Amino acid sequence: KNEVEQSPQNLTAQEGEFITINCSYSVGISALHWLQQHPGGGIVSLFMLSSGKKKHGRLIATINIQEKHSSLHITASHPRDSAVYICAVVGGSNYKLTFGKGTLLTVNP
Amino acid sequence: EAGVVQSPRYKIIEKKQPVAFWCNPISGHNTLYWYLQNLGQGPELLIRYENEEAVDDSQLPKDRFSAERLKGVDSTLKIQPAELGDSAVYLCASSARGAGELFFGEGSRLTVL
Repeated sequence: KNEVEQSPQNLTAQEGEFITINCSYSVGISALHWLQQHPGGGIVSLFMLSSGKKKHGRLIATINIQEKHSSLHITASHPRDSAVYICAVVGGSNYKLTFGKGTLLTVNP
Repeated sequence: EAGVVQSPRYKIIEKKQPVAFWCNPISGHNTLYWYLQNLGQGPELLIRYENEEAVDDSQLPKDRFSAERLKGVDSTLKIQPAELGDSAVYLCASSARGAGELFFGEGSRLTVL
């Protein structure tokens, strides 16, 4: 079982819809990253969280340490949000990064 | 400020040839990662440095891959000899510390013919 599980693996939405991508992990962590990768593009860090909630524009990330769960929300989705979204956790004791398999989001106009 | 800089962006070689990738992390970042990413897959760690020390190289195929980070700044990843299965994107990332914000380079896309 992968230490980091993302769901869904694939998500198709219509422009304007509210999007939620989930990440569950099974190890103790010191931080969690949400990353974005456009097709053929580089990886960009969206958020780094260790507790609570962060917001940047139309993106919101939350984390519940007790439940070992994080969510990435996109409000008013747009076709340019189409990308792979990756959750990665930083090990609590050794700072080892473990990646989820990613969620492919497609937003149709 | 410049981000993580990688070169070359693209490299095409024949199998059994050597290849080297270079990474210049963000200034002051102590932690440097090399990842391999196959098409449609997530990044897979090859090696992680804290300053000049390789603290995790358990996933590095040491028979053909080597890496160094002299002086704890720039890093080089080498493959010798390259095999067909090494075709992938090699990503370099850095952070100020082990649990800090991650910054990725654009990657070096290797094609082995």
